[in-house]
Amino acid sequence: DGGITQSPKYLFRKEGQNVTLSCEQNLNHDAMYWYRQDPGQGLRLIYYSQIVNDFQKGDIAEGYSVSREKKESFPLTVTSAQKNPTAFYLCASSIDSSGSGGGADTQYFGPGTRLTVL
Amino acid sequence: QKEVEQNSGPLSVPEGAIASLNCTYSDRGSQSFFWYRQYSGKSPELIMFIYSNGDKEDGRFTAQLNKASQYVSLLIRDSQPSDSATYLCAVTGPARQLTFGSGTQLTVLP
Repeated sequence: DGGITQSPKYLFRKEGQNVTLSCEQNLNHDAMYWYRQDPGQGLRLIYYSQIVNDFQKGDIAEGYSVSREKKESFPLTVTSAQKNPTAFYLCASSIDSSGSGGGADTQYFGPGTRLTVL
Repeated sequence: QKEVEQNSGPLSVPEGAIASLNCTYSDRGSQSFFWYRQYSGKSPELIMFIYSNGDKEDGRFTAQLNKASQYVSLLIRDSQPSDSATYLCAVTGPARQLTFGSGTQLTVLP
């Protein structure tokens, strides 16, 4: 049963604490993405990875870090430097990220992690 | 100017009517256009994608793309209360990454 899984579903962070959000996919997709969504807003790109051991900053990378050691996994760490981390975090994957209109850039989303700062 | 703009709504239509959702984008080089549906508290799910000018139909959904005018629209025929959700338009941006609009909230009234 192929898909994208994210854990945990809900996460609570104390001030000054780093937390890591998990994202795993078994779709054999090369590209993976992390987005943040705030209430009533669209999705904003945090980081993306087109291939193992390589990743690029998105529009709002400050205060976040990622790794891509395996094709299936793309964890996101929310560091204490992120001053307003309360949001809905979404992981996505696609066959590739060419953006060339061929269909392989279609992104599919995991169920999301809702992070709240206490 | 936002890269991808949508009317935030809320848009209300009666059950059985046609719902029309619109999206404009700023990058003339965009090649991939997507519509996602997002229920409250859930993640976005793909409805359909379109790459060529014209219409693309999938069941009750029709996507329309006009690259010259830089807009993409989604028509939902025979709207059902279960179609009530936020619809997100997404377009590939200058860096070939998806840029999302802020979404249009649709309510289908029984």
